[in-house]
Amino acid sequence: GAVVSQHPSWVICKSGTSVKIECRSLDFQATTMFWYRQFPKQSLMLMATSNEGSKATYEQGVEKDKFLINHASLTLSTLTVTSAHPEDSSFYICSASYREGQPQHFGDGTRLSIL
Amino acid sequence: GDSVTQMEGPVTLSEEAFLTINCTYTATGYPSLFWYVQYPGEGLQLLLKATKADDKGSNKGFEATYRKETTSFHLEKGSVQVSDSAVYFCALRTHSGSARQLTFGSGTQLTVLP
Repeated sequence: GAVVSQHPSWVICKSGTSVKIECRSLDFQATTMFWYRQFPKQSLMLMATSNEGSKATYEQGVEKDKFLINHASLTLSTLTVTSAHPEDSSFYICSASYREGQPQHFGDGTRLSIL
Repeated sequence: GDSVTQMEGPVTLSEEAFLTINCTYTATGYPSLFWYVQYPGEGLQLLLKATKADDKGSNKGFEATYRKETTSFHLEKGSVQVSDSAVYFCALRTHSGSARQLTFGSGTQLTVLP
């Protein structure tokens, strides 16, 4: 089945550092990828929708200058958390679908811990 | 707007017990409905889906039936195993606007004891 790879799976860094998370669709082309954030014991919150070759669409309340999303190719989207602070610590999950009407396939997530 | 309401957890069952996790939804139009499972430290995996009323999705012994009249999509399994311990998310996707966006419920933690 369709596979989405997310890297890194876990990152710990100091406050003020910028962190980049990659999301790759390994065996299909994804024109649209999604980025979610999950707080402990809570559901996923959609942060933004990433379309290949165009600017990402951010959900209300998500700072686009804080969470930079780039979708340069049909198989890769990146999320950069700029100048991360402890409150940015969370579990970030990406997903991708390869065709309209098809379910999203999720990466395994990235656990971000900011000290 | 669209929303999904899930049975609050956590749910703790003994092995071989019957499982029901309730899910109801509010949506415009006729959404597709999904159940996702999240094992500890991992991302979400699609468990099953249904795209129209009265459809039954099934996988790995889990079932859910799309009930339009009650706007529900309850997850059931006749005999749970320890390996079923995970968080289960009910979700919907409408077919208007941003058609591929998912709306998730809050998730239900299931623990199965041997």
